[in-house]
Amino acid sequence: SAVISQKPSRDICQRGTSLTIQCQVDSQVTMMFWYRQQPGQSLTLIATANQGSEATYESGFVIDKFPISRPNLTFSTLTVSNMSPEDSSIYLCSVEKGGSDEQYFGPGTRLTVT
Amino acid sequence: QKEVEQDPGPLSVPEGAIVSLNCTYSNSAFQYFMWYRQYSRKGPELLMYTYSSGNKEDGRFTAQVDKSSKYISLFIRDSQPSDSATYLCAMSRYGNKLVFGAGTILRVKS
Repeated sequence: SAVISQKPSRDICQRGTSLTIQCQVDSQVTMMFWYRQQPGQSLTLIATANQGSEATYESGFVIDKFPISRPNLTFSTLTVSNMSPEDSSIYLCSVEKGGSDEQYFGPGTRLTVT
Repeated sequence: QKEVEQDPGPLSVPEGAIVSLNCTYSNSAFQYFMWYRQYSRKGPELLMYTYSSGNKEDGRFTAQVDKSSKYISLFIRDSQPSDSATYLCAMSRYGNKLVFGAGTILRVKS
């Protein structure tokens, strides 16, 4: 498995501002993922972040709104830009271990946009 | 039609009951099947991971995959109040993204 931490754990932000969420893993991993989980909903993949390459975004998510950095094999950031109340959600990072499609999740960042 | 269907519940059972949680799927290419447990205000925790068809047991948990019926199940024996959580099924083709079910809320009453 993997130990994953996220910062901040929660935040309340004003509309129009941006928030950067950090994800730190206790071991080197190739693939990291960012998900959104809206209240009472399942997980929706935002993008896949591989170290040394541009993130790959899923349909409905764009780099200008959700820029991602992956500077090394243990760290990634997701920025939620120009926020609106519709961005209120839990944002989760996950990592894949062992090349087997098993993913391990961080505790999540609970974002409220007012 | 969603690729993965999962009844959201809630499912309420008495302590000690056997719980059956299920998902159906439409994509016959899925090969890897997972069950996650998510407590309130926490990230999902990987419970069970299976490849292709068959059963896998881990303590009180048994995961079952029937690829011919496109149906997967998670059984919890001797359920405890601490099992109360949302259970998410997830599946993938090798090297592809995970597709999650909507999650089933389970409540085990003492």
